[in-house]
Amino acid sequence: EPEVTQTPSHQVTQMGQEVILRCVPISNHLYFYWYRQILGQKVEFLVSFYNNEISEKSEIFDDQFSVERPDGSNFTLKIRSTKLEDSAMYFCASSSRRDANTEAFFGQGTRLTVV
Amino acid sequence: GNSVTQMEGPVTLSEEAFLTINCTYTATGYPSLFWYVQYPGEGLQLLLKATKADDKGSNKGFEATYRKETTSFHLEKGSVQVSDSAVYFCALPISGGYNKLIFGAGTRLAVHP
Repeated sequence: EPEVTQTPSHQVTQMGQEVILRCVPISNHLYFYWYRQILGQKVEFLVSFYNNEISEKSEIFDDQFSVERPDGSNFTLKIRSTKLEDSAMYFCASSSRRDANTEAFFGQGTRLTVV
Repeated sequence: GNSVTQMEGPVTLSEEAFLTINCTYTATGYPSLFWYVQYPGEGLQLLLKATKADDKGSNKGFEATYRKETTSFHLEKGSVQVSDSAVYFCALPISGGYNKLIFGAGTRLAVHP
């Protein structure tokens, strides 16, 4: 069964450092998403991406964040200068369509710890 | 905008007990409703969905009925197993009709033999 894969599963970084979280969406999907879950809180939408550009982003997704599809398979989330409050589980997702009835497939998540 | 409120956990049950996890929502129109599950060490997986009022989604013995009168989408299972131990999330699209989800807080279920 096709799946979304994320690497690394756990990343520890020092405050102020840049991190790149990587995702390989399902191969025939066209819509890509990042969500995050701060420990003990809700899963929150960060950004959606289609046709090599951001289609929507939340208030959380400020200038410190960027997304990219550097090649035909990877989808990355970069945090330019990490803060302690960026510590969270980050989930990548993909879907074949963007309508609300279409299932989004999620990866297993990357736990980011900023120290 | 749309919102979702989910029963807080943790929920601890014995094997073969009946499970209900409550989920209520507020929404513009009648969006699709979803239950996602996160097993230990794994990502979010779609458990079931319902796309319109009175629809019943079902999968792996779990059921949820889309009730517009009570704006609810409660998750139920008649007889839980140890393997059902996981975190369950109710979700619906953020207003706009697109595939951008808002999640409930998650309910941790622990099933003991």
